Amino acid sequence: DAGVIQSPRHEVTEMGQEVTLRCKPISGHNSLFWYRQTMMRGLELLIYFNNNVPIDDSGMPEDRFSAKMPNASFSTLKIQPSEPRDSAVYFCASSLVSGGAEQFFGPGTRLTVL
Amino acid sequence: SQQGEEDPQALSIQEGENATMNCSYKTSINNLQWYRQNSGRGLVHLILIRSNEREKHSGRLRVTLDTSKKSSSLLITASRAADTASYFCATDLIPTFGRGTSLIVHP
Repeated sequence: DAGVIQSPRHEVTEMGQEVTLRCKPISGHNSLFWYRQTMMRGLELLIYFNNNVPIDDSGMPEDRFSAKMPNASFSTLKIQPSEPRDSAVYFCASSLVSGGAEQFFGPGTRLTVL
Repeated sequence: SQQGEEDPQALSIQEGENATMNCSYKTSINNLQWYRQNSGRGLVHLILIRSNEREKHSGRLRVTLDTSKKSSSLLITASRAADTASYFCATDLIPTFGRGTSLIVHP
């Protein structure tokens, strides 16, 4: 298996633009997590899905952020409109089941909003 | 929140020395996990310890868990320069992470 795949790896955009980050979890994994990492805040859980259903989105910073998982092999995290303070590394992770199973992380997407 | 908090924030040692990192959490758990993150990479799972375990070993890693104190420690013995990374703990249910311990091992 190729592991968790994220695209793009790097994204530079201007304030106000829409940004879409993509994630393909490991095949057979039922849980998917989106994280954001910054120096100031560390690694924050934004949202996680079980069997394609959003379970907890309390970490999503505001309405500008939205996440979808239309099927078991694909998820998106969208920021619209983007702001400079959204600049961070966004990680996607998947696990076989929820509730404390080992998570497998993707390589991350480094987002820079100018 | 079940977030784990690592301590110290930064640790600098010489190759061959042991490195100890601590993790504290707030609520009851079923298990606790330790992860490692190399610069610019995603986290990699190191070890999982269940609430009914007190100690677990994996190679040069030793993890302890004290549920009465709601704390865990990660010991890396005979450290190597390649162990330079950030280390995170995460509790179960909703696995959230702290800021991690940044470990630098000088050759």
